[in-house]
Order: sequence, then structure tokens, then C-alpha cells
Amino acid sequence: NAGVTQTPKFQVLKTGQSMTLQCAQDMNHEYMSWYRQDPGMGLRLIHYSVGAGITDQGEVPNGYNVSRSTTEDFPLRLLSAAPSQTSVYFCASSYSTSGQHTEAFFGQGTRLTVV
Amino acid sequence: AQSVSQHNHHVILSEAASLELGCNYSYGGTVNLFWYVQYPGQHLQLLLKYFSGDPLVKGIKGFEAEFIKSKFSFNLRKPSVQWSDTAEYFCAVLSFGNEKLTFGTGTRLTIIP
Repeated sequence: NAGVTQTPKFQVLKTGQSMTLQCAQDMNHEYMSWYRQDPGMGLRLIHYSVGAGITDQGEVPNGYNVSRSTTEDFPLRLLSAAPSQTSVYFCASSYSTSGQHTEAFFGQGTRLTVV
Repeated sequence: AQSVSQHNHHVILSEAASLELGCNYSYGGTVNLFWYVQYPGQHLQLLLKYFSGDPLVKGIKGFEAEFIKSKFSFNLRKPSVQWSDTAEYFCAVLSFGNEKLTFGTGTRLTIIP
């Protein structure tokens, strides 16, 4: 079982460049989220999706775009990279059963450095 | 809005010591509560979760947590830690009807052999 797959694992960008972090899950989960992890700040929610075609902003959405055209994929786009976006990015998926949210399943992370 | 506080930023213990990591949340309604662990260089993995029922929940690797609604707390415990428990531990809360999982800032646990 692949679970949640993120690519790439590492990336270095120059300020102003754009890129897309890929996230795919094979568990047919309706919920998908993107988090960034920074030292001393835990995980902060960037964007999330409750199903194909539906996305919403999290706590720190500025500078990032998302779309959800399929249940499986939830790419995160950096429009114009800035050094403040240097971080580790995690994608997660989950589902609900009987109205209860299950735990989130996380990808392996993407370590992004913006120089 | 829901929020989570983990007051212990870095805890250092010797092997076989007992562990308790604090977690408090701020939402007054029905909540689902989680503890995740992140071993060095790895992604987050679920340790245990509370949805309803018995407020004392047991997870993997000998960890347990107690939900105390009156104190808005969900502290993580382990009677005897091992060197392999060295990791970062995150508490998270999901309020009922909310799809946003909110994390605390994490507690780094270092176990000295």
C-alpha cells in the first residue's frame, strides 16, 4: 500500500521561482491537507480539501495555491517562492465514518529551501 | 477557533523514567483528540486517538493518554521510556463538524541511555 506519496523529497528554489509539490493518495480519502512544519511552531495548515473540486484556506495560505481535480491528487503550488517559505511540507489525507473524522495519514514530507 | 497548547518544549529523561507530556486545547464542544509521533527524519505517525467512550486510551508502544474534559486536557503518558522513544510528539485536536486538524507546537523528547 502506497498511502500518501509526496514528490519531490527535497527541492532548492531561487527566490521568485514557482513550483508544484505533488501529493497523491490511494486510499480514496475525501479529505486532504497541506501543512508546513517549522521549528518551534508545530504544523500549520496551509490549505485543505473536503473533496474533489472543493478547497479552502487554512492558517497560513498566503503564497500558496491548491486545486483538487481528482480524489487522489492535491498539488500545492508556490507562485513566487520566498525565503520565508523554506520549510518542510507535509501532505495528509483522512476520511470520516459515521460523521467522525479519522486520524490523518501523512506523506513523507518535502524539504524545501528557498535561496 | 480551536487551539492546542503543549507547554513542554523539550523534555530530557533517562531510560526507564516515567513520562508525562501535557496537552491542553481550547475548544468547548465535542472534540476528537490525537497524539502523533515524529521520529528523526520521518513523517508523523499516529500514537493514539480519542473520539468518545473510555477517557483513558491506549496506543502503540506502551503509550496512553487520558482525556479530562473539565480540564480540557489530553496528556500523554508512558510508565517507562526507552531510548527508541526519542522523537517529537504532537498533540492535535479536531472539533466536531470541523475539517481542520489543529496541532500543538510539539514536544521534543530526548531519552538518555
